[in-house]
Amino acid sequence: QKEVEQNSGPLSVPEGAIASLNCTYSDRGSQSFFWYRQYSGKSPELIMSIYSNGDKEDGRFTAQLNKASQYVSLLIRDSQPSDSATYLCAGKGGADGLTFGKGTHLIIQP
Amino acid sequence: GAVVSQHPSRVICKSGTSVKIECRSLDFQATTMFWYRQFPKKSLMLMATSNEGSKATYEQGVEKDKFLINHASLTLSTLTVTSAHPEDSSFYICSARDRTYNSPLHFGNGTRLTVT
Repeated sequence: QKEVEQNSGPLSVPEGAIASLNCTYSDRGSQSFFWYRQYSGKSPELIMSIYSNGDKEDGRFTAQLNKASQYVSLLIRDSQPSDSATYLCAGKGGADGLTFGKGTHLIIQP
Repeated sequence: GAVVSQHPSRVICKSGTSVKIECRSLDFQATTMFWYRQFPKKSLMLMATSNEGSKATYEQGVEKDKFLINHASLTLSTLTVTSAHPEDSSFYICSARDRTYNSPLHFGNGTRLTVT
């Protein structure tokens, strides 16, 4: 069974620091990985996608993928209070929909 | 970017009635749409996969006769909660992906259902 694991948190980070969110997955066939941000009471919104090993940067966000270790991470630099949300890691293998982790609740402390 | 429109955003209904939720992909064609349910402070739970022109595939434990899914076109899927009960009160979210391999899921804004 395909699984995506995340620490549920809460992860508390001071404003301006780097927030590091981690995710592991069980399906070695997964080719694509996505990070979604979900505010309370809202639906998830896509913030990053990554398909190959290494780092991918977009503004304050950096996604990292290590297929050998089956590990995906998201770094948020210069954390802002508005970054406080639940971050969902998701993996895709084959033609199926995404397999989501349970999410990490991130709190940025002003 | 890809936009998924979901209506209504909020609905309150009485026990025993049925509620229909629409999910539209506005600027792309979606052969497959997904319906999720989320209870407060809980993770997303996939309910069913909606396939254009064929029957939906339901996850284990989801009653197909209670949650009717219709995917009549490449841009529209509907979820009907039949004979709703208070325990069906939840946040229902649809998502869709265009035909490009490796493309991400795009989510609608969700429907907050309250059954009284």
